[in-house]
Amino acid sequence: DIVMTQTPSSQAVSAGEKVTMSCKSSQSLLYSENKKNYLAWYQQKPGQSPKLLISWASTRESGVPDRFIGSGSGTDFTLTISSVQAEDLAVYYCEQYYDTWTFGGGTKLELK
Amino acid sequence: EVQLVESGGGLVKPGSSLKLSCVASGFTFSSYGMHWIRQAPKKGLEWIALIYYDSSNKYYADSVKGRFTISRDNSKNTLYLEMNSLRSEDTAMYYCAKGGNVMDAWGQGASVTVSS
Repeated sequence: DIVMTQTPSSQAVSAGEKVTMSCKSSQSLLYSENKKNYLAWYQQKPGQSPKLLISWASTRESGVPDRFIGSGSGTDFTLTISSVQAEDLAVYYCEQYYDTWTFGGGTKLELK
Repeated sequence: EVQLVESGGGLVKPGSSLKLSCVASGFTFSSYGMHWIRQAPKKGLEWIALIYYDSSNKYYADSVKGRFTISRDNSKNTLYLEMNSLRSEDTAMYYCAKGGNVMDAWGQGASVTVSS
């Protein structure tokens, strides 16, 4: 099974800050035939269901603000929020769909 | 607008059974794979099952294999999760989600508590 490890587990931020969070997989998520990384990012706000932000490691879903940037390839991935807003306080999960599906443990963004 | 509405959750005793439903609207249900994902209290997300659009393939997490069964009725736009031999560690919010690879729409969840 592919294990997904997210760091940090929590992060205190101020509005306007640039934030980065990491997601590492125990094996490569890059499929050689199509050169795509099978990695997604989800946002879960308190009391709500998760919401898909990014698929294929870097493709933003329709309606997702462009301050959310996914990057990385192979086993190392990053979600960057270029300028954090108050409404971005949430838990962020990465998920691999290369071999069945596995979520990381999440990174919780809190207010400093 | 895509809508997914789960129902059937509740409080049950260890060893018992429960069947969750997820009614879909706002998209062509019969064209999409569907997932079940759960979240234990104060914990992260755990994928538990996927069914192809035509029920031709089903996949399960090891934690539920042999106890849970995913199914669907495309004529009723409804996804199901039959849960047997429930354990305390199955206590969680259960979400249905649309999609094959990624889960691009989620329901609000159905709460399942397994306790004596």
